[in-house]
Amino acid sequence: DTGVSQDPRHKITKRGQNVTFRCDPISEHNRLYWYRQTLGQGPEFLTYFQNEAQLEKSRLLSDRFSAERPKGSFSTLEIQRTEQGDSAMYLCASSFGTAGTGATGELFFGEGSRLTVL
Amino acid sequence: KQEVTQIPAALSVPEGENLVLNCSFTDSAIYNLQWFRQDPGKGLTSLLLIQSSQREQTSGRLNASLDKSSGRSTLYIAASQPGDSATYLCAVPGGGNKLTFGTGTQLKVEL
Repeated sequence: DTGVSQDPRHKITKRGQNVTFRCDPISEHNRLYWYRQTLGQGPEFLTYFQNEAQLEKSRLLSDRFSAERPKGSFSTLEIQRTEQGDSAMYLCASSFGTAGTGATGELFFGEGSRLTVL
Repeated sequence: KQEVTQIPAALSVPEGENLVLNCSFTDSAIYNLQWFRQDPGKGLTSLLLIQSSQREQTSGRLNASLDKSSGRSTLYIAASQPGDSATYLCAVPGGGNKLTFGTGTQLKVEL
């Protein structure tokens, strides 16, 4: 197992364009998380999947953001009509957790996808 | 709402020194606490996970302690090396199924 993979590692786009990030979690993990991190800050939670179900979304996730996890495997995070304020590192993490519990289990992160909006 | 504070924000030490990083959290009803390391421009690497029933956890030169009742955790790094230079982040469950992170301690170990 190679850990959590994210693609692309870097994305530069012009304001107003759409971007999509992909995350491949550790294969046996049923939980997948997206976080956003800006310079000098800790990661901020965006959304969480248990298998294919999106169970929690942050208020940070405006209607321009959408995330999917078809078939409970890889996940995509799409940002429509990007704004300069969307520039950040987008981090994906996965863990194994028992359904119905609030325990997160140990999270493993990918290398992140850095977005720059010009 | 869970809030996490890490002190100090930055730390510079000579190689070989033992050091302690501090993490405090406001809501002590946590399942676990996790320490991470982050190198510049990279993702987070999990260092230690302490369950709420544990008081400490060790991995090599790293030792993390947890005092739930006081809302505190410490990460002890023994015999620091230049390769330990990174930002260290602690995280606790913040309600629901998400982690709440501190802003980290930026560590520099000098030769």
